[in-house]
Amino acid sequence: EVQLVESGGGLVKPGGSLRLSCAASGFTFSSAWMTWVRQAPGKGLEWVARIKGQTDGGTTAYGAPVKGRFTISRDDSKNTLYLQMNSLKTEDTAVYYCSSGYGDQLDFWGQGALVTVSS
Amino acid sequence: DIVMTQSPDSLAVSLGERATINCKSSQSVLYSSNNKNYLAWYQQKPGQPPKLLIYWASTRKSGVPERFSGSGSGTDFTLTISSLQAEDVAVYYCQQYYSSPLSFGGGTKVEIK
Repeated sequence: EVQLVESGGGLVKPGGSLRLSCAASGFTFSSAWMTWVRQAPGKGLEWVARIKGQTDGGTTAYGAPVKGRFTISRDDSKNTLYLQMNSLKTEDTAVYYCSSGYGDQLDFWGQGALVTVSS
Repeated sequence: DIVMTQSPDSLAVSLGERATINCKSSQSVLYSSNNKNYLAWYQQKPGQPPKLLIYWASTRKSGVPERFSGSGSGTDFTLTISSLQAEDVAVYYCQQYYSSPLSFGGGTKVEIK
């Protein structure tokens, strides 16, 4: 059974940093394309970042609002995905979901981690 | 960047009736080399993560009820719930995965009339 469990959310001040983790199990993590999607309170889904699997070069891509501030990475030895978030803004407040699937089809989702950016 | 536009924003349908949700992309998401539309549909119920319903625009994910169907090609797509059930109350999103940045539609809220 595929499981994705996010952790690391919390309250942070504007300009601060936070690192989210996503522990994966139940599939071959090293070859999976992994994605972060966020959802601001009461709003729709927003694609944040994606990292390809090892066999596809591990390349990354980012949404415009987070490019240059967020970094997606993976540790295949730990079956864990990360999202390093720097220079956080109030508009980054959201539930952050970790997701995986076939390519960019988001087949499996975690329960999400809440990040609140507020002074 | 590809912009996804859904309509309507919300709709109320009687139990057993048909619900139709539209999704339009700002450019084609049909990949000519394999003739596949890189378009997916997701269902999100309150307090839950999204759930993949349809991929390649019309392929139903295993376990998804047959009343859910997807159609369309190029830039215009439709999600149809043929006979609305109470458990289908949710927000539905389309998503293009043709090119990054990937993008979602704004969502359509489906309620019972």
